[in-house]
Formats: sequence, C-alpha cells, structure tokens
Amino acid sequence: NAGVTQTPKFQVLKTGQSMTLQCAQDMNHNSMYWYRQDPGMGLRLIYYSASEGTTDKGEVPNGYNVSRLNKREFSLRLESAAPSQTSVYFCASKSLGSGGTDTQYFGPGTRLTVL
Amino acid sequence: EDQVTQSPEALRLQEGESSSLNCSYTVSGLRGLFWYRQDPGKGPEFLFTLYSAGEEKEKERLKATLTKKESFLHITAPKPEDSATYLCAVGRYGGSQGNLIFGKGTKLSVKP
Repeated sequence: NAGVTQTPKFQVLKTGQSMTLQCAQDMNHNSMYWYRQDPGMGLRLIYYSASEGTTDKGEVPNGYNVSRLNKREFSLRLESAAPSQTSVYFCASKSLGSGGTDTQYFGPGTRLTVL
Repeated sequence: EDQVTQSPEALRLQEGESSSLNCSYTVSGLRGLFWYRQDPGKGPEFLFTLYSAGEEKEKERLKATLTKKESFLHITAPKPEDSATYLCAVGRYGGSQGNLIFGKGTKLSVKP
C-alpha cells in the first residue's frame, strides 16, 4: 500500500514552458486535492476533485488546470509556467472517517522551480 | 473570515523539556481540527483529528486537546527525533467537500 504517490519529485522549467504533475492514490479515496506550499504562506488549495468526474477551484487556481483521470489519478497542469509558480506542490486524498469527519493524506511533494 | 493561527512560529527545546504548541481558530461550524507533522523535504504526516471541545488524543509523547477556540499540542519529554514542523488545520461545515484551512505551522527543534 503506497498511499499517495507523486511524480516527478523535482522539476526545473523555463518561463513559458508547460508541464503536468502526476498524482495517484491506492486507498480507494473519492476526493483528491492539489496544494502549493510557499515559505511563510502555509498550504494553499489550488484545485480539488470531490469525486471522479468533478473538479472545482480552490483558493489559488489561476495559471493551473486539473484532470481527474479516474478514481486513482489526479493531475495538475501548468500551461505556461511563471516564476511565481515556483513552489512545492502536494497532492492529497481524503478518507471519510467516523462521525462524518475527513482526514486528508498527503503525498511526498513535487519541488518545482521556474526560471 | 475563517482563520487558523499557530504560535509560536518556532520553538527550541532541550531534550526532555516539555512544552505546548498553540493553534487558535475562527471558523463558522468546526468540522474537525487536524494536526500534522512535516519533516523537511517531505509531505505532511497525519497525527490527530479532534472533533469536539473537551476531546483529547495521545500518541507516544504527543497529546492534542481541543477547546471551542483553540487546540494545544503538548509534547512531553521531547526527543531530537520530534524535531519537525507541526501543522494545524480545520475543516468547516458548509465548506466545499471538507476542504481544510491550514495554519502556517510551528517549527520545533529539540536539542540533545
């Protein structure tokens, strides 16, 4: 049971280049999330997918697109990378615990630098 | 506005010196308060979920408590391996699909 996996671990892009960050989970979770983490800012939600076939914007969606490929996989795409998108990106998936509460489990992250 | 504030930003302890981390929150309808541990270069690791005021949970040297306005993470006789950044997050009723609001974290350093 690998949990949440992310690829790649590291990436360097030039301004204007595009790339896709991949995320997969093997816990049979319905909901999946993409966050970015910047120094002094905490984790901020970019996009989420409540279930297969649905996606919604989070707090900081500009410059990103997502695809929920199937129940296991949720990808994040940068169409035209900008230096402001230099960050660490985390994918998470959610279980539904007892009492209707939610626990999110995180992947190891992708460290992206845009030059 | 829903908000999560953690204090202190950084905390240095000697091995064996017990202390507490604070997470104060303002949220319209708390749907769980979550504590995570994050080691450098890694993703957040889930520690606890607290559901209602008065609830407490323990794991090894860590104990989390919850009131109507804040949560504490008590660390008893810490060891160097407890060094990490501790993140607090809240879920909201009415929030989209259980989305979480995170604090900025407390960086804990435990010296031998």
